[in-house]
Amino acid sequence: DAGITQSPRHKVTETGTPVTLRCHQTENHRYMYWYRQDPGHGLRLIHYSYGVKDTDKGEVSDGYSVSRSKTEDFLLTLESATSSQTSVYFCAISVPPVGNEQFFGPGTRLTVL
Amino acid sequence: AQSVTQLGSHVSVSEGALVLLRCNYSSSVPPYLFWYVQYPNQGLQLLLKYTTGATLVKGINGFEAEFKKSETSFHLTKPSAHMSDAAEYFCAVSEDSSASKIIFGSGTRLSIRP
Repeated sequence: DAGITQSPRHKVTETGTPVTLRCHQTENHRYMYWYRQDPGHGLRLIHYSYGVKDTDKGEVSDGYSVSRSKTEDFLLTLESATSSQTSVYFCAISVPPVGNEQFFGPGTRLTVL
Repeated sequence: AQSVTQLGSHVSVSEGALVLLRCNYSSSVPPYLFWYVQYPNQGLQLLLKYTTGATLVKGINGFEAEFKKSETSFHLTKPSAHMSDAAEYFCAVSEDSSASKIIFGSGTRLSIRP
């Protein structure tokens, strides 16, 4: 158990509203990631962080922003949610020195109506 | 650029039969390779990984995978399927030892017939 929690676990919102998802880890790992999972696409990287205030874009970053003001928290924000952002969102961390493997949180199911 | 292709979005086998899930990758440098499993309504968990060394990698729950550089493949196998193996399986590749990015395949859903 890598000590990763995500909140909320489920959310229904309306188009145009802002949404923030939170990922929290208990073990001060440096690298954190946000993915979205959609049928037929596997997991696609949205943004990742390699330290406090250090973030970078992933494959599908448009419409999303992130912040990391503390090692343990990585926030994903949808400034103005759209129906195309309906998805399951996973947070992950990587844990050196065991290699590149990533450990995943339980996911947040977001529905944008 | 690195990429992963999983052949077959859905595989169905009988209980007790061989499980074979196919994965091919593209990478410009020696890759790190992973198989993850996802049970319904859960996050992903690591089954096994290849970094360096022995090309046959054993993982949890009786799964194993073989890295074949000449075929750019990393197929997942299990000799005898159990009902509890029903899940979605993801192959993934990384080129970056600093752990910045992993690229996932689109997944293969494994069903087990009684």
